[in-house]
Amino acid sequence: QSALTQPPSASGSSGQSVSISCTGTSSDVGGYNSVSWYQQYPGEAPKLVIFEVNKRPSGVPDRFSGSKSGNMASLTVSGLQPEDEADYYCSSYAGSNNLVFGGGTKLTVL
Amino acid sequence: QVHLVESGGGVVQPGTSLRLSCVASGFTFTNYAMHWVRQAPGRGLEWVAIISDTGRNKFYADSVKGSFTISRDNSKNTVHLQMDSLTPEDTALYYCARDRYNSGPYYIDNWGQGTLLTVSS
Repeated sequence: QSALTQPPSASGSSGQSVSISCTGTSSDVGGYNSVSWYQQYPGEAPKLVIFEVNKRPSGVPDRFSGSKSGNMASLTVSGLQPEDEADYYCSSYAGSNNLVFGGGTKLTVL
Repeated sequence: QVHLVESGGGVVQPGTSLRLSCVASGFTFTNYAMHWVRQAPGRGLEWVAIISDTGRNKFYADSVKGSFTISRDNSKNTVHLQMDSLTPEDTALYYCARDRYNSGPYYIDNWGQGTLLTVSS
């Protein structure tokens, strides 16, 4: 049950696009299409922004998109807005009835 | 609207036990598996446990296996986390969360606001 690997930080200017990677193994990210992404503001609970690799829940702006290639998943935020500044976590089903999270990425909007 | 409210956190000494509770509303509780996820201060999210819709199936992270027990009372729309032999490493904000499906784990689609546990002598 090793955590998925995310970069500690990412940044971009308003209006630009930024991608956050989430690297796992063939036993988690690469083995299942159950990758999800969560946005968390300081002092608040996480919020689902992407599920099943590339699907957006109702109410999440279409600036948020997800993808996966092999053992790595990515979250892309296009047209960065100040309100996108938050921590982002990936998650994946890891087999044997386990769920695993990434270490989190702090996104800064410059 | 899905609403999950945790309670039971507090400050306890190492080696003691505590039970967290989570009351759910706004959805048909018996149709969903439920999770506990924790977040140590300044750290990332760590999955703790899941219980299926009926309560028949329970699964745990290796870090808590044998020390924590998840349960649910479908008559009260409540899920519990019994935590025994607590250590300072268990200090965290504990979130109750709903899985998208009835068995799982698959993915979490809703979270509570969390209840804080501090284990310290």
